[in-house]
Amino acid sequence: EDKVVQSPLSLVVHEGDTVTLNCSYEVTNFRSLLWYKQEKKAPTFLFMLTSSGIEKKSGRLSSILDKKELFSILNITATQTGDSAVYLCAVLFSGTYKYIFGTGTRLKVLA
Amino acid sequence: SAVISQKPSRDICQRGTSLTIQCQVDSQVTMMFWYRQQPGQSLTLIATANQGSEATYESGFVIDKFPISRPNLTFSTLTVSNMSPEDSSIYLCSVEDRNFGPGTRLTVL
Repeated sequence: EDKVVQSPLSLVVHEGDTVTLNCSYEVTNFRSLLWYKQEKKAPTFLFMLTSSGIEKKSGRLSSILDKKELFSILNITATQTGDSAVYLCAVLFSGTYKYIFGTGTRLKVLA
Repeated sequence: SAVISQKPSRDICQRGTSLTIQCQVDSQVTMMFWYRQQPGQSLTLIATANQGSEATYESGFVIDKFPISRPNLTFSTLTVSNMSPEDSSIYLCSVEDRNFGPGTRLTVL
């Protein structure tokens, strides 16, 4: 059965801390892994990773994929209260636009 | 990337009634997707809607409960039929370029 598992489920940090969020997957026909930030209702796209070992970076956020070990990490440095959200990872199946989502990590950044 | 809008943004409904959610895209897309996010849960794909054909439903979702229309390349509707409190969720539509609509928060009393 295809599955995507995220850890930790929740995390509380203080402003300025660095956090690492994990996403592991077991799927057939893997195409890409995506990270989203969800603050209210709609997930906001962050990164799409297709190749192993190539870091994607946007400001204080970065992410990398390991297709051999079947996981990805999302790093957030110098966290701010505005980073408080649920972070979702999703796997896109090859040949389709179908996604399977992980359980999410709820991050709370305290001032 | 496509801009997606949804209506209504939220609704509170009585048990046994039905609600139709609309999804409008600002450009033509082949495939549209409907997701459900139950409280405290992640997103689950309900169905894929292609214009001109019947929607394809995922395991656990049936057309009688979640009928979908796709009359053209920019619009789709999802109806939640004969609602129960277990249908209280956020319903999201998405398109091929990985963006999501703003979502519809449904509460069933």
